[in-house]
Amino acid sequence: SQKIEQNSEALNIQEGKTATLTCNYTNYSPAYLQWYRQDPGRGPVFLLLIRENEKEKRKERLKVTFDTTLKQSLFHITASQPADSATYLCAPPNTGNQFYFGTGTSLTVIP
Amino acid sequence: NAGVTQTPKFQVLKTGQSMTLQCAQDMNHEYMSWYRQDPGMGLRLIHYSVGAGITDQGEVPNGYNVSRSTTEDFPLRLLSAAPSQTSVYFCASSYSSRANVLTFGAGSRLTVL
Repeated sequence: SQKIEQNSEALNIQEGKTATLTCNYTNYSPAYLQWYRQDPGRGPVFLLLIRENEKEKRKERLKVTFDTTLKQSLFHITASQPADSATYLCAPPNTGNQFYFGTGTSLTVIP
Repeated sequence: NAGVTQTPKFQVLKTGQSMTLQCAQDMNHEYMSWYRQDPGMGLRLIHYSVGAGITDQGEVPNGYNVSRSTTEDFPLRLLSAAPSQTSVYFCASSYSSRANVLTFGAGSRLTVL
């Protein structure tokens, strides 16, 4: 069955450092992958979408890579700030275009 | 633009009671879906709809019913609530199911005693 894994259930980093979050998927080949941010008590908010023919995508301090051979996406936040503290979710759709989510990585940026 | 509106925000039920979680969007989105979120389990898809009159099951559909009579509304019904359905429920919509981002509601926290 299809599986999405986000390692490092919780990640703590110092302010100013680069945070790197990992999303691995197995048993399917999504045409694209999305990343969302979720703050406590709120619904997820879309951040970035990367397609299978794009190796890298950037938005301000965010960078996402998509390696279809490794079946992995990496999500980077450079020059991290305490306001970046949140849970980050990856969502590669399955072949039926249903949106499935990983369990998320909780990021805490320490001042 | 209100986006995706969920009601109620909080609800407490007794085992066996029924209720409906409401979801409405004003963005003319074709695709709507319901998720539940439990600690350590992440977001799990319950049901989804690709347009009015069309619904399908996600990965955890048991105990839930949905219908989509209009583009705007996608209610989730619990016919006989069980403690295992205690969770936070999110409704989400997108323009279509193809490479489009999801817009989520604020969530509905349900407790079944």
